[in-house]
Amino acid sequence: DAGITQSPRHKVTETGTPVTLRCHQTENHRYMYWYRQDPGHGLRLIHYSYGVKDTDKGEVSDGYSVSRSKTEDFLLTLESATSSQTSVYFCATANSGANVLTFGAGSRLTVL
Amino acid sequence: ELKVEQNPLFLSMQEGKNYTIYCNYSTTSDRLYWYRQDPGKSLESLFVLLSNGAVKQEGRLMASLDTKARLSTLHITAAVHDLSATYFCAVDFSRGTYKYIFGTGTRLKVLA
Repeated sequence: DAGITQSPRHKVTETGTPVTLRCHQTENHRYMYWYRQDPGHGLRLIHYSYGVKDTDKGEVSDGYSVSRSKTEDFLLTLESATSSQTSVYFCATANSGANVLTFGAGSRLTVL
Repeated sequence: ELKVEQNPLFLSMQEGKNYTIYCNYSTTSDRLYWYRQDPGKSLESLFVLLSNGAVKQEGRLMASLDTKARLSTLHITAAVHDLSATYFCAVDFSRGTYKYIFGTGTRLKVLA
């Protein structure tokens, strides 16, 4: 979707290195999410944000941290990447009301 | 534990046939969503079900929600090849902070 930009779209890194994925939205949506998608697991919620500086853990938050210093940006950081964090990461946003999620294009991360 | 289960995980069906995908969830919620994902793509919203007994239809797809049974169904009528995709249900378990948990997905393949 044009209103959500994920960067980088593809990244290959080595075990133990830090990685930051960025989600930028122009929709002025209050809620932002990070999911990972793996075969056999569907989408699993990592962290989400319900406002600037307001974040909470999801289902699989260990090894990940997030920050949201302004409405439009939600950063996902892997402090020390591991091979188990190889995945496709999706950012999503939602506004109040029915709160349908709008997804970004995804970021494919490979940890060697 | 917050769980969302879909079945079947894989579904191969002939064009023109009918079938139903099931989404069960573990605890009370009255907000359920269906999404579609084409191979290599992001997710897009299909249906929003916000109350017990809600039914939504678009084309050959119809979704319903039974909050007492904690069950939603996605019914496919007279399948066509273009419906081949992975379908996800998602449940909002957290009133107010909009925490969405996804099912594992159902990969549908419609054979010509």
